[in-house]
Amino acid sequence: QKEVEQNSGPLSVPEGAIASLNCTYSDRGSQSFFWYRQYSGKSPELIMFIYSNGDKEDGRFTAQLNKASQYVSLLIRDSQPSDSATYLCALEGTYKYIFGTGTRLKVLA
Amino acid sequence: KAGVTQTPRYLIKTRGQQVTLSCSPISGHRSVSWYQQTPGQGLQFLFEYFSETQRNKGNFPGRFSGRQFSNSRSEMNVSTLELGDSALYLCASSWTSSGENEQFFGPGTRLTVL
Repeated sequence: QKEVEQNSGPLSVPEGAIASLNCTYSDRGSQSFFWYRQYSGKSPELIMFIYSNGDKEDGRFTAQLNKASQYVSLLIRDSQPSDSATYLCALEGTYKYIFGTGTRLKVLA
Repeated sequence: KAGVTQTPRYLIKTRGQQVTLSCSPISGHRSVSWYQQTPGQGLQFLFEYFSETQRNKGNFPGRFSGRQFSNSRSEMNVSTLELGDSALYLCASSWTSSGENEQFFGPGTRLTVL
């Protein structure tokens, strides 16, 4: 089992809809979780981080963490074509960060 | 505050050669991590440095090595290049090496091995 798993997609949503991206992890001891956005040919850009169970909102983005079920998700409200990118989930291990392979999101105009 | 910088941005080498990549972290950040990104494998962790000490290493052969200087700048070296080493090499910095802190990426070095 991979340490961080994401559906590779593509996930296609119409403009204005809510995009829901999910990530599961295997290490129950993981404490810190991150969502990165990566446009084609660019480096990953940090969107949000979450440490506590529950929801954390930042503008159109909401991160959700459920440590008991070992999943973390990212909701993007009012999706825009500019949100089309690959979204990487990551967790912080011991002196390293572990990344999922990413979910490709396509927002259709 | 300036972001993470990496040089060079692009490199073309031939098999058997060696290459050195450089990374300057965000000012004040002491932790630098290196990743290899390929379309098939995603982001693979290479190693992490904190205060000039390698704290963790990923599953890469010994041809991949790195170091960190007292000013937190880091270099990564790949010797005896192979075709499979063609990838985007990303450096990321963070405040400390563990705990609740975010990691920020540089623009990457695109290495092509012919």
